[in-house]
Amino acid sequence: EIVLTQSPGTLSLSPGERATLSCRASQSVSNNYLAWYQQKPGQAPRLLIYDASSRATGIPDRFSGSGSGTDFTLTIAGLEPEDFAVYYCQQYGSSPLYSFGQGTKLEIK
Amino acid sequence: EVQLAESGGGLVQPGGSLRLSCAASGFTFSRHWMSWVRQAPGKGLEWVANIWQDGNEKNYVDSVKGRFTISRDNAMNSLYLQMNSLRAEDTAVYYCASSSKLWWPYDFDMWGQGTMVTVSS
Repeated sequence: EIVLTQSPGTLSLSPGERATLSCRASQSVSNNYLAWYQQKPGQAPRLLIYDASSRATGIPDRFSGSGSGTDFTLTIAGLEPEDFAVYYCQQYGSSPLYSFGQGTKLEIK
Repeated sequence: EVQLAESGGGLVQPGGSLRLSCAASGFTFSRHWMSWVRQAPGKGLEWVANIWQDGNEKNYVDSVKGRFTISRDNAMNSLYLQMNSLRAEDTAVYYCASSSKLWWPYDFDMWGQGTMVTVSS
């Protein structure tokens, strides 16, 4: 069973700063099928990045994804007030078919 | 406009059953993999089950195998989740989710608003 571990659990930054979120897999992610989501309170998740580094439709270019194999990173360059939320990574392909990380909460410092 | 609208949630006693529905519109439902994803109160996301376009293949997370059944009616543009032998740990918001890309099961850019299931005596 593949386990995704996100770090840090909470990240405290100020608007305008750069955020770097990590997602580490317990085994290699199949074909780098790794996605990132943003979730705000009371809302459904929103897809930001798919295939580790491709931005989803309508996602601002301050969001970028990188990595391969077992180590992946979501970077937000120049935080906007609306970016403070919880972020999840998700893999496809290994048992279970889909799994999510436990989330990183990005909060305003 | 793409829409996924879940319904059927509510309060049920441990050991009870519930059937969730998800009505889809704004896209060709029959061409898309569909999934259920849940989120316990204050917790993270957990994928529950998915179903192929034609309904012939279904996959489940281990914790619900033998208790939950995913199904779909392409003529009605609807997805279902029959939940039996419910446990307290099944308490969560249940989302239906899919990808807007055809034949693309890898991630989810379409989500409903969720329906709350509470299992409690």
